[in-house]
Amino acid sequence: DAGVIQSPRHEVTEMGQEVTLRCKPISGHDYLFWYRQTMMRGLELLIYFNNNVPIDDSGMPEDRFSAKMPNASFSTLKIQPSEPRDSAVYFCASSLSSGSDTQYFGPGTRLTVL
Amino acid sequence: AQSVTQPDIHITVSEGASLELRCNYSYGATPYLFWYVQSPGQGLQLLLKYFSGDTLVQGIKGFEAEFKRSQSSFNLRKPSVHWSDAAEYFCAVESYGQNFVFGPGTRLSVLP
Repeated sequence: DAGVIQSPRHEVTEMGQEVTLRCKPISGHDYLFWYRQTMMRGLELLIYFNNNVPIDDSGMPEDRFSAKMPNASFSTLKIQPSEPRDSAVYFCASSLSSGSDTQYFGPGTRLTVL
Repeated sequence: AQSVTQPDIHITVSEGASLELRCNYSYGATPYLFWYVQSPGQGLQLLLKYFSGDTLVQGIKGFEAEFKRSQSSFNLRKPSVHWSDAAEYFCAVESYGQNFVFGPGTRLSVLP
């Protein structure tokens, strides 16, 4: 398996623009997680899905952020409109189940909002 | 509230020296415990995890961790550090009904 795939790896955009980050989880994994990593706040869980259904989005910073999982092999995290404070590395991870199971992380998308 | 602390922001050790990275958690019940490593520019990779049973857990790359219930700790150890171990290390915790929570991380530097 290729592991968790994220695209793009780097994104530079201007304030106010829409940004879409993409994730392909490991085949067969029922859980998908979106994290954000910054120097100030460390790793934060934004939202996670179970069988394509959003379970907990309490970590989503505000309404400008939205995430979807239209099928078992694809998820998006969208920011509209983007702001400079959204600059961070965004990680996607997947796991077979929750709780004790290992989360496998993608390489991340480094987002810079100018 | 649940929390995970890693008291050391940055640790520097010489190659070949032993290493211990500290992790403490605050949960009502014994949670699931994990250690992840992040190399520069990379995603996170699981080193080891503890669910139950033997409190000393062996992981990849020669790492081990010991769960101490009385101290609410899950410290990561390695007897002899290699230069390639330089990275950021994250302790993570999940408890029943709670989300996965990462500690703030400890950056490890290795001197030649």
